[in-house]
Order: sequence, then C-alpha cells, then structure tokens
Amino acid sequence: QKEVEQDPGPLSVPEGAIVSLNCTYSNSAFQYFMWYRQYSRKGPELLMYTYSSGNKEDGRFTAQVDKSSKYISLFIRDSQPSDSATYLCAMSASGGGNKLTFGTGTQLKVEL
Amino acid sequence: GAVVSQHPSWVICKSGTSVKIECRSLDFQATTMFWYRQFPKQSLMLMATSNEGSKATYEQGVEKDKFLINHASLTLSTLTVTSAHPEDSSFYICSARNPRSSYNEQFFGPGTRLTVL
Repeated sequence: QKEVEQDPGPLSVPEGAIVSLNCTYSNSAFQYFMWYRQYSRKGPELLMYTYSSGNKEDGRFTAQVDKSSKYISLFIRDSQPSDSATYLCAMSASGGGNKLTFGTGTQLKVEL
Repeated sequence: GAVVSQHPSWVICKSGTSVKIECRSLDFQATTMFWYRQFPKQSLMLMATSNEGSKATYEQGVEKDKFLINHASLTLSTLTVTSAHPEDSSFYICSARNPRSSYNEQFFGPGTRLTVL
C-alpha cells in the first residue's frame, strides 16, 4: 500500500465548475500538507500549505485536512482553463522544507 | 523571487555514458537541495537530500555510486548519472529549500528529461 493515495484522473470539468481533489494517507506522522500544481514538463509550484487539521482559503482555492480520517482535499471554485494541470498532494512529518511524500497527481482539464 | 533553474532541460545520451544535471537557486542561498525522479503518471520520488559542504543522504534503494550528488556551493547542486542505461530514462527534478520563505518550503526546478538510448 502506498503511503499517499491519489486518483490520477483525468478529471474533466466545464469552465466555472467547482473542482474537488482528494488524497488519503496512511502515515499518522504526517503533520504538514501541501498541494502543488504542475504544468506539463515543468516543476511543481506550491499552491496551498496547511499544518495539522483544518481549512485554509486562498482566493479560489480551499484546502481541507481531516487528520482523523487521514484525508485531505483541495477545492477550486470558478475553475478556469488556465487551471488545467496536474495537481499533486504532498505531505511531511517535519515541514515543507524536509522530506516530502507525494501522491501520483490528478490530471485536471477545465474545458471552455 | 525563489527561482530554481535546471540545466539541461532535456538530454539524450548513449547507454554507458555519464550525464550531469545542474540545479541552481538563482535568488536565494540553499543549504539544502533535493533530487527527485518522476516516471510518467507516477509521483515524484525523492532520491536524495543534498547538503552544502557534506555528503548527500540517499533514500533507500537509490544507488549512491550510480547517482553522484555534489553540493559544492550554496546555489549549486549537481546530479551525475553514471553509466546510464535505458531504465534510467526519466524526468529528474530538483528542489531547493528557501529558509526565508513563508513556510521554509522547497522551490522546484523545471526538471530535466533524460533519455538513454
């Protein structure tokens, strides 16, 4: 069993839709949770960073962490074609600057 | 700010040759850099942690004699794939920890696509 599970998709939605992306994990030591966006043939860029359980909102993006269920989510409101990318969840026991364990990434396509 | 570059962006080499990939932090000093490998439709797998002025720490299953890492300065780490074989073909991505960022986070380079013939 992988430490982090993420549905690879692809996920296709119409422009303006609310997108829900999710990851589950098995390692209870994870305390820091991140979402990265990766465009084709590019390196990942950090979208959201959350410590422990709770919600965090930044513009159209909301990250949720439920440590009791070992489940994290990223919501994208009013999705745009420019949001089309692969979204990777990543987790760490000791902070974003240390060893990260990534999910496989979910490929998202937002269509006009 | 917090830009990380990689060179080359892609490389094709013959089996048995060695390939060097450079990772540079352009606008910050990074005492710690990381090297990842990514196969198609798979997650990034950490290969090693590179610390300036000391030996790299390799993840379990990664051959340190095959993947040589040198972190000679606060802005440069190199990964050399020695005696490359077709199974080494992959997307290699580096990241650099920026201690001045909001979350002490890693910033990723654009990646290097290696194809071994």
